[in-house]
Amino acid sequence: DIVMTQSPDSLAVSLGERATINCKSSQSVLYSSNNENYLAWYQQQPGQPPKLLIYWASTRESGVPDRFSGSGSGTDFTLTISSLQAEDVAVYYCQQYYTSPRTFGQGTKVEI
Amino acid sequence: QVQLQQWGAGLLKPSETLSLTCAVYGGSLSGHYWSWIRQPPGRGLEWIGEIDQSGRTNYNPSLKSRVTISVDTSKNQFSLRLTSVTAADTAMYYCARVSVFGMATYWGQGTLVAVSS
Repeated sequence: DIVMTQSPDSLAVSLGERATINCKSSQSVLYSSNNENYLAWYQQQPGQPPKLLIYWASTRESGVPDRFSGSGSGTDFTLTISSLQAEDVAVYYCQQYYTSPRTFGQGTKVEI
Repeated sequence: QVQLQQWGAGLLKPSETLSLTCAVYGGSLSGHYWSWIRQPPGRGLEWIGEIDQSGRTNYNPSLKSRVTISVDTSKNQFSLRLTSVTAADTAMYYCARVSVFGMATYWGQGTLVAVSS
C-alpha cells in the first residue's frame, strides 16, 4: 500500500494568514503516461462528510474558493490556504488514487 | 445535483453482519465507481472498496475476506456487507461517488455503526 503522511498533525493560524499543509507519499503518484499526479485534497468540517477540494494535485473542484491551492509532484505535495477564513476550520486529508487500495493521510487539523 | 442517501443498522453485536445501503439520486450509476469509506471515531479515513455499474468490485485487501459490495441498478442503489464485525469496525461509514480516476466527488451523510456486546 502507498502510505500517505501529512505534516503537521495540527496547526493554528490567525484569520487572514496563510496555512500550509504537507503530504508525502511513500512512492510516486505521478503517472508518466499522462503526466498527472493522482493526488486529491479533502476538507472535513466538524460533523460533516469530507468534501473534495483539489484533484490532480492542483486542480480546484468547481465552487472551491481560489484561496485554496495545491502544488507538488511525485511524492511531495502541499495544500495552501492563502488567507484563512473562519469557515476553513476543519481537518484536511490528502488521498492518492494512483493505485489500489486508495489511501489517505492521517489528517491535519486547522484551527484559528 | 447528485445526492447520496444512506441507511442501515447502527448498533451491532460482535460477530454480526454490518449491512448498509446507499441510494443515488440525480444521477446514473454508469460512468462512475461507487465506494464505501469509513472513519473510526476521532481518526482518519479508510477506503473499504468500490463497485461499478456492471458489478466489478475492488476491495481493500485488509478487509477483503469480510467485505461484499453489490449494486442494484434497478433501484439506483449499492450496498455494503461486512461480516464478523468486532469493536474495531466501529466507525462512521460513508458512501461516495468516485470518478473513474479515483477521487471521491460526492459523499453520503454518513452512518455511525457501533459494535458492542
